[in-house]
Amino acid sequence: GESVGLHLPTLSVQEGDNSIINCAYSNSASDYFIWYKQESGKGPQFIIDIRSNMDKRQGQRVTVLLNKTVKHLSLQIAATQPGDSAVYFCAENNPGNLIFGKGTKLSVKP
Amino acid sequence: EPEVTQTPSHQVTQMGQEVILRCVPISNHLYFYWYRQILGQKVEFLVSFYNNEISEKSEIFDDQFSVERPDGSNFTLKIRSTKLEDSAMYFCASSAWGNYGYTFGSGTRLTVV
Repeated sequence: GESVGLHLPTLSVQEGDNSIINCAYSNSASDYFIWYKQESGKGPQFIIDIRSNMDKRQGQRVTVLLNKTVKHLSLQIAATQPGDSAVYFCAENNPGNLIFGKGTKLSVKP
Repeated sequence: EPEVTQTPSHQVTQMGQEVILRCVPISNHLYFYWYRQILGQKVEFLVSFYNNEISEKSEIFDDQFSVERPDGSNFTLKIRSTKLEDSAMYFCASSAWGNYGYTFGSGTRLTVV
C-alpha cells in the first residue's frame, strides 16, 4: 500500500553542524508534506511544510527539499543545537488525515 | 499561541474497562482528529470529525471506539472495553482548514493493565 517512510532511524551530529533527515514517500499523487518534531512526552510539533508545486522551502534554520522525481523529501537543520534533539517525522497529507513515517531520532552532541 | 489541550496526561486502566480521553481543540478550528502512537512506533490516524460527524476513520477505529463533541469546546475519544494492545499515546489534533494547519495536543498516555 501507499506509505511514507524514513531512511535512517537515528542520526547523531555535533552541535553547530548541519543535520539532514531524509524521507521517502510512495504516493506520487501526494501534494503536501509536513515535517514534525516530537520531543519526549510531547505531541508532534509542526516545523515546516511544502506543497508539491515547490521543490524547496526555507524557514528559520530549516529547509525542506522535495524531489518528486524520486519521491524523496529531506529536512535540513542548520547549525544544529542541543534543543533540536528530538524525533523527526515526515508526514504525507492523505486527504482527510496524515500518514506519518516512522521517525528519525536526532541526537546533538555538545 | 493557541493550544490543543488534552486530559488526563496519563491514564492507567484495567483491561475491559471503559476510558474517555478528553481534548479541547483550538476554539476557531472546525476539524478534529484522534491519532495514536504505540511506544516506539509511528503516529497512526484513528478518526477525523467535522460538522458533528465522523468524516473518516481508519481500520484501527473499530466498534470499541467512539468520538463525541458533547459541547462547544470538548472532543472526546471513548474506548468501550480496553485491551492490552490499546496501550499507547493518544493525540488529539485540530485544524481550521481540514487538510492543512494541524495542531496537536501533548497527548494522553494510556496504559492498559
